[in-house]
Amino acid sequence: AQKITQTQPGMFVQEKEAVTLDCTYDTSDPSYGLFWYKQPSSGEMIFLIYQGSYDQQNATEGRYSLNFQKARKSANLVISASQLGDSAMYFCAMSPNGGATNKLIFGTGTLLAVQP
Amino acid sequence: EAQVTQNPRYLITVTGKKLTVTCSQNMNHEYMSWYRQDPGLGLRQIYYSMNVEVTDKGDVPEGYKVSRKEKRNFPLILESPSPNQTSLYFCASTTRDGYNEQFFGPGTRLTVL
Repeated sequence: AQKITQTQPGMFVQEKEAVTLDCTYDTSDPSYGLFWYKQPSSGEMIFLIYQGSYDQQNATEGRYSLNFQKARKSANLVISASQLGDSAMYFCAMSPNGGATNKLIFGTGTLLAVQP
Repeated sequence: EAQVTQNPRYLITVTGKKLTVTCSQNMNHEYMSWYRQDPGLGLRQIYYSMNVEVTDKGDVPEGYKVSRKEKRNFPLILESPSPNQTSLYFCASTTRDGYNEQFFGPGTRLTVL
């Protein structure tokens, strides 16, 4: 079964510290994509970062990096130098089957609270 | 500005009263989807469309209908809403290459009494 698992319902981090949000995935497709989205309290879904299953290097976007460990089927999000504005719900998602069906499978999310 | 718009943003209705949530994108994307978000369940795909007149069921299609008569529009129809369809709904679009980011609309918060 194709599935995304986020085991951390909620996390706290001190401002300016780094934090890792865990994500594991399950698929038998050889080609897939992995995404992270941020959902602030206002509700919109904000794309953060993407990793393709064939990408050799870990993706990075500013303060966000994706720690992709293919053999372990994990795609953890690392946020460096946390800011108060990073407080939000974070979703890991997978696009299976090479993206052929335009489907994103989401995890249940991790609620991150950044403390001053 | 590239965007996905949804209307209405908030809706409170009663059981059985037909409603339509509109979705429109201005990026000429082929792919569009509807998701619902429920606490503890993340987002789940309701229906998707790969082009005009091409739609298919997602994971939770029961109680919903869609149509894709124009490339830019992808309305979600609830013929007879029930309280278990109270949820936050998102429309999303992306290009033919599914690896590109999906652009999400602002969401529609629906309450069915």
